[in-house]
Amino acid sequence: DIQLTQSPSFLSASVGDRVTITCRASQDISSYLAWYQQKPGKAPKLLIYAASTLQSGVPSRFSGSGSGTEFTLTISSLHPEDFATYYCQHLNYFPLFGPGTKVDIK
Amino acid sequence: EVQLVESGGGLVKPGGSLRLSCEVSGFSFSSYSMNWVRQAPGKGLEWVACISSVSSYIYYADSVKGRFTISRDNAKNSLYLQMSSLRGEDTAVYYCAKGGGYYDFLGDNWGQGTRVTVSS
Repeated sequence: DIQLTQSPSFLSASVGDRVTITCRASQDISSYLAWYQQKPGKAPKLLIYAASTLQSGVPSRFSGSGSGTEFTLTISSLHPEDFATYYCQHLNYFPLFGPGTKVDIK
Repeated sequence: EVQLVESGGGLVKPGGSLRLSCEVSGFSFSSYSMNWVRQAPGKGLEWVACISSVSSYIYYADSVKGRFTISRDNAKNSLYLQMSSLRGEDTAVYYCAKGGGYYDFLGDNWGQGTRVTVSS
């Protein structure tokens, strides 16, 4: 079975910081990976799919990269509204989610 | 505007049943796969089930296989999740999510969620 891990689990950052979150798969998943943002009490929001394709309407400060087993989500300059939890998801069967990375205010 | 609205959640006793619904608008429902994803209190996201656009393919997480049934009515623009033999660990907010065309399991639009509590 495929496993997804995310690092770090928790990240404390300031407005304007560059933030990078890593998602690692236990086996090669090509580019079958998505990234979501979730704020407390809200539904997840799709940010990136196919590892690096920005979803329509998502600010360009978000970017994704990687293929195979290692992927990154980068926020080039953290905005106040970006404090949230971020999840990666495998987009093929089995569509597992990563455990999440909480980005908090320093 | 794409909209997904879940309903049917509530409090149910262990061993009981519940049927969730997701009514959609703003896109051609019959052209997309649909998913259910849940989130237990204070926990991460867990994919539950997926149904293809015309119900040709259906997938379940092992944790719900044999107890939950996903279905859809394309004439009514509605997705359903019939849940039976409910357990405490099924307590969660349940979201319906629209599949992303090529990527059946992608959630490119989500509902606001409906809360299911399994407790005696």
